[in-house]
Amino acid sequence: EAGVTQFPSHSVIEKGQTVTLRCDPISGHDNLYWYRRVMGKEIKFLLHFVKESKQDESGMPNNRFLAERTGGTYSTLKVQPAELEDSGVYFCASRGLGPTDTQYFGPGTRLTVL
Amino acid sequence: QKEVEQNSGPLSVPEGAIASLNCTYSDRGSQSFFWYRQYSGKSPELIMSIYSNGDKEDGRFTAQLNKASQYVSLLIRDSQPSDSATYLCAVSLREYGNKLVFGAGTILRVKS
Repeated sequence: EAGVTQFPSHSVIEKGQTVTLRCDPISGHDNLYWYRRVMGKEIKFLLHFVKESKQDESGMPNNRFLAERTGGTYSTLKVQPAELEDSGVYFCASRGLGPTDTQYFGPGTRLTVL
Repeated sequence: QKEVEQNSGPLSVPEGAIASLNCTYSDRGSQSFFWYRQYSGKSPELIMSIYSNGDKEDGRFTAQLNKASQYVSLLIRDSQPSDSATYLCAVSLREYGNKLVFGAGTILRVKS
């Protein structure tokens, strides 16, 4: 069974540009989470999808971030326009429906905004 | 006060020794507790999960939970150089969609 995949693995963009990150969860996992780790800080929650619905987006930093999960399969996280402070590693995780099911993390996308 | 606190380390132990990693959390409603291992440049990998007070053992790893003290720990027996990594403590609440709240992590170095 394939794990969580993310694309791209690295992205270097200039301030003001747009970047779209993609996450493909484990097949059959309805729960999909986005997290971010900025340099020197702990991993922080961004948002949570259940199927195609946003369950909790309390961690989204501001309206420059837009997440979608069309059809309840893969998810995209768009940053527009990117700012320097958006640099970090963006992780996606997916989880099954059981209350104690594990969150499995993808390899992450390292975003550098210059 | 941070929601999940860990000593950043590094914690250095000799090969074959027991490594003890500690974590405290602030939300008494937390229901699930996890230890993730993260190698440099890699994604977090689940090592242990624990949901009730007491000890839970899995191979060389033992997780200990004390909800009254809001404390969770991870013991690694017979530490190996391959255990050298950052260990992340995380907690979650079902009412918040099981989102994980992470500590900053403890760097463990096992010297051969």
